[in-house]
Amino acid sequence: AQSVAQPEDQVNVAEGNPLTVKCTYSVSGNPYLFWYVQYPNRGLQFLLKYITGDNLVKGSYGFEAEFNKSQTSFHLKKPSALVSDSALYFCAVRDEGSNYQLIWGAGTKLIIKP
Amino acid sequence: ETGVTQSPTHLIKTRGQQVTLRCSSQSGHNTVSWYQQALGQGPQFIFQYYREEENGRGNFPPRFSGLQFPNYSSELNVNALELDDSALYLCASSLFSSDSYEQYFGPGTRLTVT
Repeated sequence: AQSVAQPEDQVNVAEGNPLTVKCTYSVSGNPYLFWYVQYPNRGLQFLLKYITGDNLVKGSYGFEAEFNKSQTSFHLKKPSALVSDSALYFCAVRDEGSNYQLIWGAGTKLIIKP
Repeated sequence: ETGVTQSPTHLIKTRGQQVTLRCSSQSGHNTVSWYQQALGQGPQFIFQYYREEENGRGNFPPRFSGLQFPNYSSELNVNALELDDSALYLCASSLFSSDSYEQYFGPGTRLTVT
C-alpha cells in the first residue's frame, strides 16, 4: 500500500542555519512527490514537486528537495532558514497509476528560532 | 486570477444533522478534490470531481457526497454527522492533465460537531 512517512513531528532550527525536513515514501510504480506548507488557520500552499528529471528540485521561497530513488526519500531543504519559514510542512505522493489520490504524511512542524 | 475560496469559514453542527460546504475553483481549473484534515494529522482524500462526475474516492462512507457544477465550483455534503467528522475540510482545484499535478488549496472550512 502507498504511504508517506515524515519521521519528525517537529524540527527546530536557528535562523540562518540550513534546514532539512525528512520524507520517505512507499508506492508501486513511479512516484510523483510534492511538498506543501500550511500556515496557522490557512490552507495548504504548494512548494515544489518531483515528477521526473533532475533529482534536485527547486521550489518557492528558496526551498529545494532532493529525490533519492534508492532510499525512497524526498527531503525538503533550505540553505538558510528564516523565522517566517516556521509552519507545518507536508510531504505527499501520488502513484503514477493513480489519477486521483495524494497520499499525505502526518506533517512536520518547523520552528525557526531567532 | 482568483484563488480557491471556501465557505463558510467556520461551522458548528449537532450530531445527526446535515451540512453543505462550498468551494469555488481557481480560474481555469476543471478538477476539484476534497480532503478532511483532523487536528494534528495530514489531509485525507475524500473524493475528486472532474467534468461534474466523481472520478476517484478515498475511504469515506457514502454519507459523504459531492457535486461539481458547470462553472467547476463544488459542494461537499455530509449527512448524519458524527462527532468524528469534526475537522478542517479542504478543497483543492487543479487542471486535469498528464503534466500538471499540483493542487491549489482553499483556506478550508472548520467544522465542529457537538
